[in-house]
Amino acid sequence: DIQMTQSPSTLSASVGDRVTITCRASQNINSWLSWYQQKPGKAPKLLIHQASNLEFGVPSRFSGSGSGTEFSLTITSLQPDDFATYYCQQYNNYSPWTFGQGTKLEIK
Amino acid sequence: QVQLAESGGDLVKPGGSLRLSCAASGFTFSDFHMAWIRQGPGKGLEFVSYMSKTGKTIYYGNSVRGRFTISRDNAKKSLFLQMNSLRAEDTAVYYCAREGWQIAAFDLWGQGTLVTVSS
Repeated sequence: DIQMTQSPSTLSASVGDRVTITCRASQNINSWLSWYQQKPGKAPKLLIHQASNLEFGVPSRFSGSGSGTEFSLTITSLQPDDFATYYCQQYNNYSPWTFGQGTKLEIK
Repeated sequence: QVQLAESGGDLVKPGGSLRLSCAASGFTFSDFHMAWIRQGPGKGLEFVSYMSKTGKTIYYGNSVRGRFTISRDNAKKSLFLQMNSLRAEDTAVYYCAREGWQIAAFDLWGQGTLVTVSS
């Protein structure tokens, strides 16, 4: 099975900061990497698919990059609404649908 | 309104069974692949099962394979998860999710239904 490792597990930042979360796959997944945002008690929300494609309606301060095994999610100019937990998720034909363990973005 | 609504979550004893349902509305259900994803208390997201739009392709997560069965009724716009031989570690909120068109990502989620396995 493909394992997904996110770092850091927790990130403290302030409103207006620029932050980056990374996700590493144990095998090549090309660009089949998605990012989700989840707030307490709510379902996850898709932010980015295929590594860098912003989902409709997601603010442009969110961006994704990477391919192969190394990926990142960057949020520029953090807003109060952005403090949440973020998950990466991979797709591979032979080992589909694995999530990273999550990164909790906290207010410093 | 485009939405998914899960139901069927309950308190069940270890070894018991439960059937979850997910009702889709606001979109053509038969055009989309669907999945179940769960989240244990205080834990991350875990893939449970996936079914293609025709029902011909099915995947299960390692921890549920052989115990859970996914199915769908396109005429009734519904997805199901039959859970047998339940264990304490199956305790979680179970989400129904839609795979977006050819993006290998889940673009629509339900609100979740809570399954608690405890004696």
